[in-house]
Amino acid sequence: GDSVTQMEGPVTLSEEAFLTINCTYTATGYPSLFWYVQYPGEGLQLLLKATKADDKGSNKGFEATYRKETTSFHLEKGSVQVSDSAVYFCALLPNNAGNMLTFGGGTRLMVKP
Amino acid sequence: NAGVMQNPRHLVRRRGQEARLRCSPMKGHSHVYWYRQLPEEGLKFMVYLQKENIIDESGMPKERFSAEFPKEGPSILRIQQVVRGDSAAYFCASSPPHLSRANVLTFGAGSRLTVL
Repeated sequence: GDSVTQMEGPVTLSEEAFLTINCTYTATGYPSLFWYVQYPGEGLQLLLKATKADDKGSNKGFEATYRKETTSFHLEKGSVQVSDSAVYFCALLPNNAGNMLTFGGGTRLMVKP
Repeated sequence: NAGVMQNPRHLVRRRGQEARLRCSPMKGHSHVYWYRQLPEEGLKFMVYLQKENIIDESGMPKERFSAEFPKEGPSILRIQQVVRGDSAAYFCASSPPHLSRANVLTFGAGSRLTVL
């Protein structure tokens, strides 16, 4: 079945450091890929998405490129801020019928001033 | 309509009691999904509903859990005879009626159930 694997956290960085959170997936066909962010005490918010190979999703300084050849969708940001501290979830949406996301386990990011 | 509305935000129950969690989808959305987030884990799909119809309940525990989405009113996730292992955050999401790969689920803020 479909699955998403994320690097385990927590990831602890200093402010202005470079961020990479790895995400790889297993799926048949060409799924859509997403990153969601969950701030403390809140629900999930869509951060960015990509619907086909080589697409790059970007938002709020975060980027992720859909790599079909490596089945990856790594999240990157050039300079993190304390306000980026949250849990980040990688997810995929299969290209068959239905709208049921499969999530990775989440990666907690802690940014220290 | 600001988005997907879930209530209560926090619910405390004793073992053996019933828990009812409500979800009102975004305006114009007719598909509702329930996910469960156990402590320190990711989200797991539970059930997918349309009005008066359960589309997929492959993620629902076989006993004590049920879900409905009536013609009028919110979707309800019901947990009977709760146990400590049911303590989790339960998230509801909704999507428009016409499914496509461009559709994105919109999530509510979640309901956090604590079983004493």
